[in-house]
Amino acid sequence: DQQVKQNSPSLSVQEGRISILNCDYTNSMFDYFLWYKKYPAEGPTFLISISSIKDKNEDGRFTVFLNKSAKHLSLHIVPSQPGDSAVYFCAASYTGNQFYFGTGTSLTVIP
Amino acid sequence: SQTIHQWPATLVQPVGSPLSLECTVEGTSNPNLYWYRQAAGRGLQLLFYSVGIGQISSEVPQNLSASRPQDRQFILSSKKLLLSDSGFYLCAWGTGGAEAFFGQGTRLTVV
Repeated sequence: DQQVKQNSPSLSVQEGRISILNCDYTNSMFDYFLWYKKYPAEGPTFLISISSIKDKNEDGRFTVFLNKSAKHLSLHIVPSQPGDSAVYFCAASYTGNQFYFGTGTSLTVIP
Repeated sequence: SQTIHQWPATLVQPVGSPLSLECTVEGTSNPNLYWYRQAAGRGLQLLFYSVGIGQISSEVPQNLSASRPQDRQFILSSKKLLLSDSGFYLCAWGTGGAEAFFGQGTRLTVV
């Protein structure tokens, strides 16, 4: 059973525009959420996280929004750059010991 | 600083042969250790996690097993590989309550 879902397998965005990647979860016990970026044949690299006590966390061009009532989080990349093209995974945790990942969204930023 | 080593990077094994993938972490003590598999359409699937030496939790029943003989060593094994075991395997470490950090992954092809 997929507790973390990314319903858009792919997304294409023009360079300079905003990329919005979405993620939904089902387990209300999750209290920590993360986004990872992954290139082919490499391990994922941590991008940004948010605790359930917050609704927004910003780091440079990356902002994560959390809507607990909707069990939804999103990653905004502004402005999008060609180097942002990768697969993005959202993940959730409720003990800090287990991380549950979504199925990933492949982002393509068009120059 | 902490580093994670995972090897080999690629592996081609015949059906029915054994498997041993090794992961070691440096620069931290008593980390949580994880094995994930990236499968098409399922994102990063958690296979095993360990919070200490000899403590292994399995998330999904399968043809694989894991062991943690030392604090910073995590091994993924199989006695007899199946074709369905092919995939991209990722080791990760974390300290609980924060993000997990991934190794570079192993591409396993069972032929």
